[in-house]
Amino acid sequence: GQNIDQPTEMTATEGAIVQINCTYQTSGFNGLFWYQQHAGEAPTFLSYNVLDGLEEKGRFSSFLSRSKGYSYLLLKELQMKDSASYLCAVRDQGGATNKLIFGTGTLLAVQP
Amino acid sequence: DGGITQSPKYLFRKEGQNVTLSCEQNLNHDAMYWYRQDPGQGLRLIYYSQIVNDFQKGDIAEGYSVSREKKESFPLTVTSAQKNPTAFYLCASSITGAEGNQPQHFGDGTRLSIL
Repeated sequence: GQNIDQPTEMTATEGAIVQINCTYQTSGFNGLFWYQQHAGEAPTFLSYNVLDGLEEKGRFSSFLSRSKGYSYLLLKELQMKDSASYLCAVRDQGGATNKLIFGTGTLLAVQP
Repeated sequence: DGGITQSPKYLFRKEGQNVTLSCEQNLNHDAMYWYRQDPGQGLRLIYYSQIVNDFQKGDIAEGYSVSREKKESFPLTVTSAQKNPTAFYLCASSITGAEGNQPQHFGDGTRLSIL
């Protein structure tokens, strides 16, 4: 079956660093996406990994290990506005299909 | 600006009533998707369409129907057969083709409640 696991909730302090983990077991793998979603709003795209290693984009970085079925999203210099849900999603097929399988999301609370 | 528009933002349904959620995009994307989001369950795929006049069932299609008569539009009908329709519904679009950094782009969602 298809399974993507993330912690349900995390708490961190403003200015600190937080790592949100995602493990996946899918029938195939053709890329992993991270999205940010504020309550009641649309998910917005943060990062994409398809090869092993770290992708850095400003305060946000994402890491992938395909052999371990593992990814993490690293948020540095946390700000109050980073309080949101973070969704991990796997594209498990190639070809013409751009379908994604989503994890349940990790709700991050940033405290002063 | 290009984007995805969902309407209405809030929708109330009476028992036994069908309702239709609108999704329009001007991103020139071929593929469109409908998801349902419940607390603690993440996004679950209802239906998707990769091209006009064609669509496929997702993981939870029972009680829902869609149409794709125009590239820009992908309306979702929640039928009376859907016994637990209260949820946050998200529409997304993307290019077709599963290569490279091609994310799905989301609308702002419609929150459906039962009266």
